[in-house]
Amino acid sequence: EAQVTQNPRYLITVTGKKLTVTCSQNMNHEYMSWYRQDPGLGLRQIYYSMNVEVTDKGDVPEGYKVSRKEKRNFPLILESPSPNQTSLYFCASSGGRQNTGELFFGEGSRLTVL
Amino acid sequence: RKEVEQDPGPFNVPEGATVAFNCTYSNSASQSFFWYRQDCRKEPKLLMSVYSSGNEDGRFTAQLNRASQYISLLIRDSKLSDSATYLCVVDTDNYGQNFVFGPGTRLSVLP
Repeated sequence: EAQVTQNPRYLITVTGKKLTVTCSQNMNHEYMSWYRQDPGLGLRQIYYSMNVEVTDKGDVPEGYKVSRKEKRNFPLILESPSPNQTSLYFCASSGGRQNTGELFFGEGSRLTVL
Repeated sequence: RKEVEQDPGPFNVPEGATVAFNCTYSNSASQSFFWYRQDCRKEPKLLMSVYSSGNEDGRFTAQLNRASQYISLLIRDSKLSDSATYLCVVDTDNYGQNFVFGPGTRLSVLP
């Protein structure tokens, strides 16, 4: 089954404790992206990647890091989480315009930073 | 000005009603256009792509007006199960893909 898998789905952590949210897709997609969703603000892009070893900042990259060492994985790293990073995070992938151009989303990771 | 703007909503309509959502985008070089549906606390899912000629999928019709940089979604004969937030999504990058999301319009279909 074609899917984007994120882990963990739910996490409560404390300020300053490094954490990683993993994202994996099995569709051989080149494009992957991370979003955060907050009430009243909609979906905002954090980082995206056009291909392996190619990453770029989105609209709200501060406080986050990403890496794209393999095509299927695109982890989101919070080196020193702060309470303002409490949010619902979505990973997404796309096969590009040569395919349908559709974005496929993971189920989301709800992060609370105390 | 935001890149993608939508009707603020919420829209509360009775079952069977016809409802229309509007979306405008600022980047005239935008390449692809989509409507996504998001249920509460769930991931967005593609409802339909939007083509220049307009396209229909059952009760749903999407229209694109490139000259006015305007996209619309029409839902006919609303069902309770149509209650969700509808997101207008624009791919703005000429060379790759850069998806920009509108803030979404919430629809509640009432019995």
